[in-house]
Amino acid sequence: DAGVIQSPRHEVTEMGQEVTLRCKPISGHNSLFWYRQTMMRGLELLIYFNNNVPIDDSGMPEDRFSAKMPNASFSTLKIQPSEPRDSAVYFCASSSPGQGAYEQYFGPGTRLTVT
Amino acid sequence: QKEVEQNSGPLSVPEGAIASLNCTYSDRGSQSFFWYRQYSGKSPELIMFIYSNGDKEDGRFTAQLNKASQYVSLLIRDSQPSDSATYLCAVKNYNQGGKLIFGQGTELSVKP
Repeated sequence: DAGVIQSPRHEVTEMGQEVTLRCKPISGHNSLFWYRQTMMRGLELLIYFNNNVPIDDSGMPEDRFSAKMPNASFSTLKIQPSEPRDSAVYFCASSSPGQGAYEQYFGPGTRLTVT
Repeated sequence: QKEVEQNSGPLSVPEGAIASLNCTYSDRGSQSFFWYRQYSGKSPELIMFIYSNGDKEDGRFTAQLNKASQYVSLLIRDSQPSDSATYLCAVKNYNQGGKLIFGQGTELSVKP
């Protein structure tokens, strides 16, 4: 299994530009999570999906952030317009169906730098 | 009060010693508890989970849970330099769906 795939691995952009981060979950996993990690705030959940449906987006910092999951094998996180304070590592994770102590598998992350 | 609290460290222990990592949580409805390890520049990886009070052992790792005290810990016996990483505690309340709430992490340094 290829694991969770994220692209790009690194992104450098200027303030005000649109940024799109991509994630392909592990096949068969029906839950997908987007996290942001910074030194100051640690690992924060932004939004998660069950069966392609957004369940909890309370962690999305503001309207500049949006996420979609058009099908079971693809999700995007978009920031428009981007700001320097959005600089962070963004992780996507997926997990197996149902409740229980199911492990979340993390992708390698996208390191975003907004100048 | 943060939902999940950990000492940020760094915690420094000599090789071969026991490293003790601690975590407290505020949501009494939390039902599952996880320890993730994150090497610098890498993504978090699960090393243990526990959901019953008491101890759970896996090789050199022991997770301890005390729900009454809202406390979970991770012990690493015979610490190795390769254990040097940040350890993240996470909790899950099934009534709030499948999301994990993570602590800030404790940086562990094992000195040869």
